[in-house]
Amino acid sequence: DQQVKQNSPSLSVQEGRISILNCDYTNSMFDYFLWYKKYPAEGPTFLISISSIKDKNEDGRFTVFLNKSAKHLSLHIVPSQPGDSAVYFCAASLYGQNFVFGPGTRLSVLP
Amino acid sequence: DAGITQSPRHKVTETGTPVTLRCHQTENHRYMYWYRQDPGHGLRLIHYSYGVKDTDKGEVSDGYSVSRSKTEDFLLTLESATSSQTSVYFCAISEQGGGTGELFFGEGSRLTVL
Repeated sequence: DQQVKQNSPSLSVQEGRISILNCDYTNSMFDYFLWYKKYPAEGPTFLISISSIKDKNEDGRFTVFLNKSAKHLSLHIVPSQPGDSAVYFCAASLYGQNFVFGPGTRLSVLP
Repeated sequence: DAGITQSPRHKVTETGTPVTLRCHQTENHRYMYWYRQDPGHGLRLIHYSYGVKDTDKGEVSDGYSVSRSKTEDFLLTLESATSSQTSVYFCAISEQGGGTGELFFGEGSRLTVL
């Protein structure tokens, strides 16, 4: 059973609008979360992270929100750009253990 | 970009043959990882290393072995490849292990087992 879930395999958004990618996890002890972006034929690249002691982390157009009670995090991209079209992976870890990745969500930003 | 090179980038092989994938880093990072990416599963950890000659199993280690004789090289071996091992394999490195630091990924090695 997957510990990290991304229930939307794909998402399409118009350029300039907000993209919201969701991630749910089952282990309430996870204390560190990351988002990775992956283009075709390339390796994943780090996007943004958040510690469980925070509920929000912002980096330019990217903001990650963490709701510990709901065991849910989301990545907001505002405004969305065509270059944001990629697969986004959510990952979680418990201190001292390796990251667990979700299955990914494919984002398409339409011009 | 982190200096990570994977080889080969593409390989087609037949069931039952041995296959070795190589990961080479120039960052002198202590931790190295092998993941496989499959549709619907995301990235799953196969094996990882926390130092020269120090390795451990990940989530999906059956059918795979690894070796790390030098800091910069981490080899993944499929002793007898099966069709279920058709996948894209990613090497990753990090300065800090145990899910506390950022992972840097290589470009991937696409393996097809016929």
